[in-house]
Amino acid sequence: NAGVTQTPKFRVLKTGQSMTLLCAQDMNHEYMYWYRQDPGMGLRLIHYSVGEGTTAKGEVPDGYNVSRLKKQNFLLGLESAAPSQTSVYFCASSYEATQYFGPGTRLLVL
Amino acid sequence: GIQVEQSPPDLILQEGANSTLRCNFSDSVNNLQWFHQNPWGQLINLFYIPSGTKQNGRLSATTVATERYSLLYISSSQTTDSGVYFCAPNTGGFKTIFGAGTRLFVKA
Repeated sequence: NAGVTQTPKFRVLKTGQSMTLLCAQDMNHEYMYWYRQDPGMGLRLIHYSVGEGTTAKGEVPDGYNVSRLKKQNFLLGLESAAPSQTSVYFCASSYEATQYFGPGTRLLVL
Repeated sequence: GIQVEQSPPDLILQEGANSTLRCNFSDSVNNLQWFHQNPWGQLINLFYIPSGTKQNGRLSATTVATERYSLLYISSSQTTDSGVYFCAPNTGGFKTIFGAGTRLFVKA
């Protein structure tokens, strides 16, 4: 099993550009999450999903959109990237409370 | 919202030493997780421990929910234990809040 995978691993964007981060899990988990981690800080929840076709806002949702069209995939979109969105983005999935994390996507917005 | 405080913020150990990491939280929690983030950034779930004590090899964790704290105990530390340890309590639903972490460096 690959567990939780994220694509891409690293990306550089210019202010105003858009992009989509892909998260995939092969553990048949219902719940999926997107977090961001800024230097010296813990993770903050952006959006989450409790099942296929459902999404909900987390702690810091502004500037991001998500979609969960298939159970195994959770997409995070940035419509108009801003320098404040420079961060490391982690995806996670869970069956119940224990979360399993992907390797992260490092995003730099210039 | 809930406040999560981890101590110490930084810790340097000699290989073989023992240590205790503490997590205080300001509100009642439904559950609590401990994570290890290795130097390459990978996050690994160590414990899911809403209350009581669990052990996994050289690591153990205790949560006293009524007193709003959790402890992570590392015995006979190894260089591979280096990284950042996060406490992440959940207050209900999917609101898991991460502390700022304890940065551990184990010297050979």
